[in-house]
Amino acid sequence: KQEVTQIPAALSVPEGENLVLNCSFTDSAIYNLQWFRQDPGKGLTSLLLIQSSQREQTSGRLNASLDKSSGRSTLYIAASQPGDSATYLCAAPAGGKLIFGQGTELSVKP
Amino acid sequence: DTEVTQTPKHLVMGMTNKKSLKCEQHMGHRAMYWYKQKAKKPPELMFVYSYEKLSINESVPSRFSPECPNSSLLNLHLHALQPEDSALYLCASSQVGTSNEQFFGPGTRLTVL
Repeated sequence: KQEVTQIPAALSVPEGENLVLNCSFTDSAIYNLQWFRQDPGKGLTSLLLIQSSQREQTSGRLNASLDKSSGRSTLYIAASQPGDSATYLCAAPAGGKLIFGQGTELSVKP
Repeated sequence: DTEVTQTPKHLVMGMTNKKSLKCEQHMGHRAMYWYKQKAKKPPELMFVYSYEKLSINESVPSRFSPECPNSSLLNLHLHALQPEDSALYLCASSQVGTSNEQFFGPGTRLTVL
């Protein structure tokens, strides 16, 4: 049974800092892993999807990696900005569903 | 068009009311999903439709009734809800298949009085 964990639950950093968000999963037979951003009271915005055959995926200041053998994915945010403040969720598909982590609430202080 | 739309944005209803939530996508996706999300929690899957047929029902109470009238539309009919059903209801769509990216709508904020 796939389980997805995100640590820490909350993170506060000063503007301009590079940061890493962590996502762990228990079943290494993973098809892909999707990273989402959610602003308060809003829907989920898909940021990056990494297929099992890929090790990295990049979009602008975001870079996501996937290491199936260690059961880990990381989302790297370069030169963080106050506009990056949001909750970041990772999710892996299993049994026709998306299994979500609990999310990391990121606050970037000016 | 990579957008999933949901109406209404906000809904307040009494426990005896009947209302419906609507979701629409024009990406040609044949899988559509309803999720429920409480504050500070990740989304919880409620229903999945594949090719307009219900494929997953996560033991959701019968006061929630989904409907997929065509490949672009997904409805969630609400009746006799409880205050604990107050939440953000999210719709998503994807190509059919486990490895496909899901796209979410902005959600409907439901308050049950």
